[in-house]
Amino acid sequence: SQTIHQWPATLVQPVGSPLSLECTVEGTSNPNLYWYRQAAGRGLQLLFYSVGIGQISSEVPQNLSASRPQDRQFILSSKKLLLSDSGFYLCAWSARDRGTDTQYFGPGTRLTVL
Amino acid sequence: GQQLNQSPQSMFIQEGEDVSMNCTSSSIFNTWLWYKQDPGEGPVLLIALYKAGELTSNGRLTAQFGITRKDSFLNISASIPSDVGIYFCAGQLRNFNKFYFGSGTKLNVKP
Repeated sequence: SQTIHQWPATLVQPVGSPLSLECTVEGTSNPNLYWYRQAAGRGLQLLFYSVGIGQISSEVPQNLSASRPQDRQFILSSKKLLLSDSGFYLCAWSARDRGTDTQYFGPGTRLTVL
Repeated sequence: GQQLNQSPQSMFIQEGEDVSMNCTSSSIFNTWLWYKQDPGEGPVLLIALYKAGELTSNGRLTAQFGITRKDSFLNISASIPSDVGIYFCAGQLRNFNKFYFGSGTKLNVKP
């Protein structure tokens, strides 16, 4: 069966510090991968998605970036965090079968920027 | 971008009552998904729908893919306290890799 991991689970970082969040998927090959951000009590905002190694699509202009160095690894980064980067970051994957795509989420990373 | 209108935004109900929520879009979707999110956790997939008119159940939950392909609803029968959470709908356009999410329905169940 497929599983998705995210780490760390929680993170407290000072403004201006760098960020690296990691997501890995097990039990599937060639998944589409996604990064979402969720503000407290709000909906899901798609940040990036990837359909393959090195292929990243950015949805929202910001000081975040994403990379996919391996097929089942997706990394969210920032060189300098802002207060507004605080939130709940969710990684998700979906199979690439057209017509029956289903998206599954990881457990999330709670980021607090102080 | 695509907009999914999810309603209601929140519901306060008594344990044992039935619940209904829905999502509508101006676009035709190929897939509809329904999720439940508990505080501090990632959304969990409840039901996936792939065909217009499809009606699918998962225990006390029932969801339908609208005939027009522009809407979907989720029903919860005989609600219990553990149904508390935020429910999200999501839709996918044909041949697109992205999923579009509704703003969520926050469900509160009073014992």
